[in-house]
Amino acid sequence: DQQVKQNSPSLSVQEGRISILNCDYTNSMFDYFLWYKKYPAEGPTFLISISSIKDKNEDGRFTVFLNKSAKHLSLHIVPSQPGDSAVYFCAASEGSNYKLTFGKGTLLTVNP
Amino acid sequence: NAGVTQTPKFQVLKTGQSMTLQCAQDMNHEYMSWYRQDPGMGLRLIHYSVGAGITDQGEVPNGYNVSRSTTEDFPLRLLSAAPSQTSVYFCASSYSGPGRPSGNTIYFGEGSWLTVV
Repeated sequence: DQQVKQNSPSLSVQEGRISILNCDYTNSMFDYFLWYKKYPAEGPTFLISISSIKDKNEDGRFTVFLNKSAKHLSLHIVPSQPGDSAVYFCAASEGSNYKLTFGKGTLLTVNP
Repeated sequence: NAGVTQTPKFQVLKTGQSMTLQCAQDMNHEYMSWYRQDPGMGLRLIHYSVGAGITDQGEVPNGYNVSRSTTEDFPLRLLSAAPSQTSVYFCASSYSGPGRPSGNTIYFGEGSWLTVV
């Protein structure tokens, strides 16, 4: 049973436009959420995180929104750049539980 | 990637062979973990450690063994390799757990590509 779901395997956007990547979760005990970016042949790189006590966190071009009632979070990238082309993973953890649960990832392609 | 080193980067094993994937970090992080990534799947936690001498199982621990004798090192052992263990393996570390109020991040190594034939 997949607890973190990224239902869109891929997303293609034009440079300068907004990219919206979505993530749903089923475990109501998750209280910390992270987004990672991964280029081919490299390890994942931390992008941004959000605690369940917040509904929004912003860092430069990246904003994460959390809707706890819907068990849904999204990552907004504005404006999108070709260098943002990568696989984006949503991940979640529960309290002091050290286990990080990942979604399957979404491949973002930003076209020049 | 900041301070997490994995070796080897590529390895081909025969079924039944054993090997150890090495992971070292120089950031004095307490928390270390091993993940595997398979096509069409997210990263899945194999084993993790919250400090020297302390390890625990993750989501997919079968067929793997770990130990944590020092803060810096967290090797992953395949005792008898099987084709189902063909995967990309990532080691990760952080100062404390991923959900801690400090909001710290987890740093990943560059990955080890393992093929079992």
